[in-house]
Amino acid sequence: NAGVTQTPKFRVLKTGQSMTLLCAQDMNHEYMYWYRQDPGMGLRLIHYSVGEGTTAKGEVPDGYNVSRLKKQNFLLGLESAAPSQTSVYFCASRDTAYTEAFFGQGTRLTVV
Amino acid sequence: KNEVEQSPQNLTAQEGEFITINCSYSVGISALHWLQQHPGGGIVSLFMLSSGKKKHGRLIATINIQEKHSSLHITASHPRDSAVYICAGGGKTIQGAQKLVFGQGTRLTINP
Repeated sequence: NAGVTQTPKFRVLKTGQSMTLLCAQDMNHEYMYWYRQDPGMGLRLIHYSVGEGTTAKGEVPDGYNVSRLKKQNFLLGLESAAPSQTSVYFCASRDTAYTEAFFGQGTRLTVV
Repeated sequence: KNEVEQSPQNLTAQEGEFITINCSYSVGISALHWLQQHPGGGIVSLFMLSSGKKKHGRLIATINIQEKHSSLHITASHPRDSAVYICAGGGKTIQGAQKLVFGQGTRLTINP
């Protein structure tokens, strides 16, 4: 009954450090998405994937990379963190392009 | 101007009141999603609708495609309904994935 699980839930990074956020879903969904949520702004799409082995850029991809080596996992990487990447990150998955979206609990990232 | 606009941005009401949150969109969409986010929590999908009305417990969502408008109603509101409510329009399909366009959210506070 897990749905979409994100790890870690909280992280503080120093500028220039790298990290990987993991999104795991157990619903066999094809479509997975990474969003960031900032105060006063709606969720913005960073990268997405339409299936295992595929990735594509969203609205705000700069500074991030992604990989979808396994269908159930979608990884978001920050190679050299910047303070502008301080945000809450949400992963979501959908069975098809037009069905309900399931979201994770979010990862609160602070870059100092 | 955002493609998806919600009103009001903030709403405070007393327990038991009937609540209405509005969502207007300027883009062509195939479906409208209503999401709920509790403070510090994840995002939960409440409804996805493309026409008419849907009901789940005390929550009702309606959509008027011609007027590009949707409403979320809460009957007999309760303090546990306090959350941010987000509407999102399912718009264009790009590279096989439908892009969701999010409103900025409505922060609802229900006082006992």
